[in-house]
Amino acid sequence: KAGVTQTPRYLIKTRGQQVTLSCSPISGHRSVSWYQQTPGQGLQFLFEYFSETQRNKGNFPGRFSGRQFSNSRSEMNVSTLELGDSALYLCASSFGQGEAFFGQGTRLTVV
Amino acid sequence: QKEVEQNSGPLSVPEGAIASLNCTYSDRGSQSFFWYRQYSGKSPELIMSIYSNGDKEDGRFTAQLNKASQYVSLLIRDSQPSDSATYLCAVIQGSARQLTFGSGTQLTVLP
Repeated sequence: KAGVTQTPRYLIKTRGQQVTLSCSPISGHRSVSWYQQTPGQGLQFLFEYFSETQRNKGNFPGRFSGRQFSNSRSEMNVSTLELGDSALYLCASSFGQGEAFFGQGTRLTVV
Repeated sequence: QKEVEQNSGPLSVPEGAIASLNCTYSDRGSQSFFWYRQYSGKSPELIMSIYSNGDKEDGRFTAQLNKASQYVSLLIRDSQPSDSATYLCAVIQGSARQLTFGSGTQLTVLP
């Protein structure tokens, strides 16, 4: 069974640009969550989607957005990038409210 | 603010010893508890989940949950150098659907 797949693995963007990250969950998992990990703040919850609906959102500015497609694949978008957005972005999929499995992450560097 | 706290570490143990990792949480309504292992530069990997009071064993790992005292712990028996990683405690608090993570404990197993 394939795991959670995130693309791309690495990104370098310039301040002010926007970026879109993609996540394909484990087959059969309908819940996809996104997290930001930085050395200073640790793992922080961004948002969670289930059946194409955002069910929960963390405390991040509106520049961070996401969506989920009918096949459960999800994308997150960050607009007007800031240096502080440099982080490892992690996607996790789960079946219901059980165990969550993470993808390999996308390492975003904003310069 | 609902929090998950872990002993900050770093924690060093000799090879073959028992490593003990602790975590406390603030929300008494929490029902689901997880331990993740994260190697440097990698994404978190789920190693244990526990939902009811008591012990749960899986190989060399034992998770312990005490809801009355609001703590969850992870014991690693016969620690190996390959166990050297950061261990993250995660909790689904109350009716939330997202994982709230502790800051992690860095474990080093010395050969």
